[in-house]
Amino acid sequence: KAGVTQTPRYLIKTRGQQVTLSCSPISGHRSVSWYQQTPGQGLQFLFEYFSETQRNKGNFPGRFSGRQFSNSRSEMNVSTLELGDSALYLCASTPLGQGAEKLFFGSGTQLSVL
Amino acid sequence: GEDVEQSLFLSVREGDSSVINCTYTDSSSTYLYWYKQEPGAGLQLLTYIFSNMDMKQDQRLTVLLNKKDKHLSLRIADTQTGDSAIYFCADASGGSYIPTFGRGTSLIVHP
Repeated sequence: KAGVTQTPRYLIKTRGQQVTLSCSPISGHRSVSWYQQTPGQGLQFLFEYFSETQRNKGNFPGRFSGRQFSNSRSEMNVSTLELGDSALYLCASTPLGQGAEKLFFGSGTQLSVL
Repeated sequence: GEDVEQSLFLSVREGDSSVINCTYTDSSSTYLYWYKQEPGAGLQLLTYIFSNMDMKQDQRLTVLLNKKDKHLSLRIADTQTGDSAIYFCADASGGSYIPTFGRGTSLIVHP
Protein backbone atom coordinates (compact mmCIF):
# COMPACT_ATOMS: atom_id res chain seq x y z
CA LYS A 1 0.00 0.00 0.00
CA ALA A 2 1.51 3.34 -1.01
CA GLY A 3 2.18 5.83 1.77
CA VAL A 4 1.27 9.49 1.98
CA THR A 5 2.73 11.29 -1.01
CA GLN A 6 3.62 14.95 -0.99
CA THR A 7 4.71 17.00 -3.99
CA PRO A 8 6.86 18.77 -4.70
CA ARG A 9 9.65 17.71 -2.38
CA TYR A 10 11.39 21.09 -2.49
CA LEU A 11 10.26 24.57 -3.45
CA ILE A 12 12.03 27.90 -3.62
CA LYS A 13 9.91 31.02 -3.83
CA THR A 14 10.38 34.73 -3.29
CA ARG A 15 8.52 37.00 -0.94
CA GLY A 16 5.10 38.03 -2.15
CA GLN A 17 4.58 34.97 -4.35
CA GLN A 18 2.06 32.26 -3.66
CA VAL A 19 2.56 28.51 -3.51
CA THR A 20 0.44 25.39 -3.71
CA LEU A 21 1.45 22.11 -2.09
CA SER A 22 -0.15 18.77 -2.81
CA CYS A 23 -0.84 15.72 -0.67
CA SER A 24 -2.19 12.32 -1.68
CA PRO A 25 -3.30 10.30 1.35
CA ILE A 26 -3.06 6.56 1.80
CA SER A 27 -5.77 4.81 -0.16
CA GLY A 28 -8.94 4.62 1.92
CA HIS A 29 -7.92 7.42 4.28
CA ARG A 30 -10.44 10.22 4.26
CA SER A 31 -8.93 12.67 6.72
CA VAL A 32 -5.95 14.83 5.79
CA SER A 33 -4.13 17.15 8.18
CA TRP A 34 -1.40 19.69 7.49
CA TYR A 35 1.42 20.73 9.80
CA GLN A 36 4.15 23.32 9.61
CA GLN A 37 7.53 22.33 11.03
CA THR A 38 10.20 24.91 11.85
CA PRO A 39 13.27 24.64 14.10
CA GLY A 40 11.99 27.41 16.36
CA GLN A 41 8.32 26.46 16.72
CA GLY A 42 8.43 22.73 16.20
CA LEU A 43 5.35 21.12 14.66
CA GLN A 44 2.27 23.29 14.45
CA PHE A 45 -1.16 22.23 13.25
CA LEU A 46 -2.53 24.12 10.25
CA PHE A 47 -5.85 22.49 9.37
CA GLU A 48 -7.64 19.21 8.85
CA TYR A 49 -10.02 18.16 6.10
CA PHE A 50 -12.53 15.36 5.93
CA SER A 51 -14.91 14.69 3.04
CA GLU A 52 -13.93 17.96 1.36
CA THR A 53 -14.78 19.98 4.47
CA GLN A 54 -12.41 21.75 6.82
CA ARG A 55 -13.17 20.33 10.26
CA ASN A 56 -10.40 21.83 12.35
CA LYS A 57 -8.14 24.82 12.00
CA GLY A 58 -5.00 25.90 13.78
CA ASN A 59 -3.90 29.40 14.65
CA PHE A 60 -2.51 30.59 11.32
CA PRO A 61 -3.36 33.71 9.30
CA GLY A 62 -5.81 33.62 6.42
CA ARG A 63 -2.93 33.54 3.93
CA PHE A 64 -2.85 29.81 4.65
CA SER A 65 -5.71 27.92 3.07
CA GLY A 66 -6.46 24.45 1.89
CA ARG A 67 -8.96 22.23 0.23
CA GLN A 68 -9.74 18.59 -0.26
CA PHE A 69 -11.01 16.92 -3.38
CA SER A 70 -13.55 14.12 -3.74
CA ASN A 71 -10.73 11.57 -4.05
CA SER A 72 -9.38 12.76 -0.66
CA ARG A 73 -6.32 14.41 -2.19
CA SER A 74 -5.59 17.72 -0.55
CA GLU A 75 -3.82 20.93 -1.44
CA MET A 76 -2.69 23.79 0.72
CA ASN A 77 -2.01 27.28 -0.53
CA VAL A 78 0.03 30.05 0.97
CA SER A 79 -0.46 33.49 -0.55
CA THR A 80 1.78 36.55 -0.23
CA LEU A 81 4.71 34.53 1.04
CA GLU A 82 6.82 35.89 3.88
CA LEU A 83 10.33 34.88 4.91
CA GLY A 84 8.90 33.31 8.04
CA ASP A 85 6.89 30.86 5.95
CA SER A 86 10.08 28.95 5.20
CA ALA A 87 9.44 25.56 6.73
CA LEU A 88 8.84 21.88 6.17
CA TYR A 89 5.16 21.34 5.48
CA LEU A 90 3.92 17.92 6.48
CA CYS A 91 0.73 16.22 5.49
CA ALA A 92 -0.77 13.34 7.44
CA SER A 93 -3.71 11.09 6.76
CA THR A 94 -5.85 8.86 8.93
CA PRO A 95 -8.74 6.50 8.31
CA LEU A 96 -12.24 7.47 9.26
CA GLY A 97 -12.85 7.60 12.98
CA GLN A 98 -9.34 6.68 14.01
CA GLY A 99 -7.22 8.41 16.60
CA ALA A 100 -3.72 9.77 16.24
CA GLU A 101 -2.30 6.26 16.60
CA LYS A 102 -3.41 5.86 13.03
CA LEU A 103 -1.83 9.09 11.79
CA PHE A 104 0.52 8.53 8.88
CA PHE A 105 2.84 11.28 7.69
CA GLY A 106 4.31 12.08 4.30
CA SER A 107 7.94 13.13 3.88
CA GLY A 108 6.98 16.76 3.53
CA THR A 109 7.57 19.68 1.21
CA GLN A 110 10.53 21.88 2.12
CA LEU A 111 9.61 25.46 1.27
CA SER A 112 12.27 28.14 1.18
CA VAL A 113 11.19 31.76 0.81
CA LEU A 114 13.92 34.15 -0.33
CA GLY B 1 -3.56 18.99 24.17
CA GLU B 2 -2.38 22.33 25.44
CA ASP B 3 1.39 22.45 25.74
CA VAL B 4 4.08 19.79 25.44
CA GLU B 5 7.69 20.42 26.46
CA GLN B 6 10.80 18.38 25.84
CA SER B 7 14.53 19.00 25.91
CA LEU B 8 16.06 19.82 22.54
CA PHE B 9 19.16 17.65 22.47
CA LEU B 10 20.46 14.36 23.85
CA SER B 11 23.82 12.77 23.11
CA VAL B 12 24.59 9.17 24.04
CA ARG B 13 27.21 6.56 23.30
CA GLU B 14 26.34 3.58 21.16
CA GLY B 15 25.21 0.67 23.32
CA ASP B 16 24.07 2.87 26.20
CA SER B 17 20.43 3.53 27.08
CA SER B 18 18.78 6.78 26.02
CA VAL B 19 16.06 8.45 28.02
CA ILE B 20 14.03 11.23 26.42
CA ASN B 21 11.74 13.16 28.72
CA CYS B 22 8.56 15.10 28.06
CA THR B 23 6.06 17.06 30.14
CA TYR B 24 2.55 18.03 29.16
CA THR B 25 -0.04 20.31 30.66
CA ASP B 26 -3.39 19.01 29.44
CA SER B 27 -4.92 17.01 32.29
CA SER B 28 -7.53 15.59 29.89
CA SER B 29 -4.89 13.98 27.68
CA THR B 30 -6.02 10.47 26.92
CA TYR B 31 -3.28 9.31 24.60
CA LEU B 32 0.42 10.11 24.65
CA TYR B 33 2.63 9.38 21.69
CA TRP B 34 6.23 9.11 20.66
CA TYR B 35 7.12 9.79 17.04
CA LYS B 36 10.47 9.49 15.30
CA GLN B 37 11.67 11.66 12.43
CA GLU B 38 14.72 10.61 10.48
CA PRO B 39 16.56 13.14 8.29
CA GLY B 40 14.58 14.07 5.22
CA ALA B 41 11.54 12.08 6.27
CA GLY B 42 8.17 12.62 7.86
CA LEU B 43 7.16 11.48 11.33
CA GLN B 44 6.73 7.82 12.11
CA LEU B 45 4.73 6.64 15.11
CA LEU B 46 6.99 4.65 17.44
CA THR B 47 4.62 3.85 20.25
CA TYR B 48 1.78 5.27 22.29
CA ILE B 49 0.32 4.81 25.73
CA PHE B 50 -3.12 5.30 27.19
CA SER B 51 -3.34 7.66 30.14
CA ASN B 52 -4.57 4.86 32.44
CA MET B 53 -1.31 2.96 31.97
CA ASP B 54 1.98 3.48 33.82
CA MET B 55 4.31 1.65 31.51
CA LYS B 56 4.45 0.09 28.09
CA GLN B 57 7.31 -1.96 26.70
CA ASP B 58 7.89 -2.77 23.05
CA GLN B 59 11.19 -4.50 22.28
CA ARG B 60 13.93 -1.92 22.98
CA LEU B 61 11.44 0.82 23.78
CA THR B 62 10.00 1.47 27.23
CA VAL B 63 7.49 4.25 27.85
CA LEU B 64 6.89 5.45 31.39
CA LEU B 65 3.97 7.70 32.30
CA ASN B 66 3.62 9.61 35.55
CA LYS B 67 0.15 11.05 35.23
CA LYS B 68 0.32 12.90 38.54
CA ASP B 69 3.35 14.88 37.38
CA LYS B 70 2.26 14.86 33.72
CA HIS B 71 5.61 13.41 32.78
CA LEU B 72 6.31 10.99 29.96
CA SER B 73 9.59 9.33 29.10
CA LEU B 74 10.92 7.14 26.32
CA ARG B 75 13.77 4.79 27.08
CA ILE B 76 15.69 3.21 24.21
CA ALA B 77 17.82 0.28 25.32
CA ASP B 78 21.10 -0.55 23.58
CA THR B 79 20.98 2.61 21.50
CA GLN B 80 22.36 2.25 17.98
CA THR B 81 23.60 4.81 15.46
CA GLY B 82 20.44 4.12 13.46
CA ASP B 83 18.44 5.54 16.36
CA SER B 84 19.87 8.99 15.66
CA ALA B 85 16.83 11.08 14.82
CA ILE B 86 14.44 13.65 16.22
CA TYR B 87 11.94 12.24 18.70
CA PHE B 88 8.63 14.00 19.23
CA CYS B 89 6.36 13.63 22.20
CA ALA B 90 2.67 14.37 21.56
CA ASP B 91 -0.62 14.21 23.39
CA ALA B 92 -4.24 14.07 22.36
CA SER B 93 -7.56 14.11 24.16
CA GLY B 94 -10.33 11.59 23.67
CA GLY B 95 -10.52 10.32 20.12
CA SER B 96 -8.80 13.37 18.71
CA TYR B 97 -6.53 12.71 15.78
CA ILE B 98 -4.98 16.14 16.10
CA PRO B 99 -2.17 15.71 18.61
CA THR B 100 -0.19 18.54 20.14
CA PHE B 101 3.49 18.03 19.53
CA GLY B 102 6.55 19.02 21.51
CA ARG B 103 9.42 20.69 19.68
CA GLY B 104 11.31 17.43 19.38
CA THR B 105 14.49 16.06 20.94
CA SER B 106 17.46 15.50 18.65
CA LEU B 107 19.11 12.25 19.68
CA ILE B 108 22.73 11.94 18.61
CA VAL B 109 24.36 8.54 18.98
CA HIS B 110 28.13 8.48 18.73
CA PRO B 111 30.42 5.46 18.58
